[in-house]
Amino acid sequence: NAGVTQTPKFRVLKTGQSMTLLCAQDMNHEYMYWYRQDPGMGLRLIHYSVGEGTTAKGEVPDGYNVSRLKKQNFLLGLESAAPSQTSVYFCATRTVNTEAFFGQGTRLTVV
Amino acid sequence: GDSVTQMEGPVTLSEEAFLTINCTYTATGYPSLFWYVQYPGEGLQLLLKATKADDKGSNKGFEATYRKETTSFHLEKGSVQVSDSAVYFCALDMRFGAGTRLTVKP
Repeated sequence: NAGVTQTPKFRVLKTGQSMTLLCAQDMNHEYMYWYRQDPGMGLRLIHYSVGEGTTAKGEVPDGYNVSRLKKQNFLLGLESAAPSQTSVYFCATRTVNTEAFFGQGTRLTVV
Repeated sequence: GDSVTQMEGPVTLSEEAFLTINCTYTATGYPSLFWYVQYPGEGLQLLLKATKADDKGSNKGFEATYRKETTSFHLEKGSVQVSDSAVYFCALDMRFGAGTRLTVKP
């Protein structure tokens, strides 16, 4: 039982490049979330999904897109990476009114 | 809207000292409250939770009580260990505080 798996764990991008972060869960959870964690700023919600085929904007959605084509996967895309998107990205999942389960994080550096 | 405010720290304690990390919340309903812990290089993991007023969550010697009258959910531990060094996050549903870095020195 892997829980929540994020791919990749580390990545270095050049400004303007694109990439997709994958979050995969095997817990059959309805809700999935993407956060970014920056020093001194805690966790900020980028986008979230309440079910397969649905997505919604969070607190800091600009520069990111997401898709939830399958219930178990939630993809976060950066179309044109900027240095301000250097961060650690976390995926989280949960079901209704329960605690969240987090992935190990993806450390992204944009140079 | 709903929000949570957490003592930011950092907090440095000696082993066996008493720990309190303050957390207060603003909510229109009766949300669940959580404390998560993050060890270096890892994702957050649940430490404890409380789902209604006056509930006390506890785990690994940590405790927190959901207090409606003071809108608080402070984290406490009577005797911290070096292994408790981590970042602690208070959360109201999926809204997180800024995190408090705890360092425990031997």
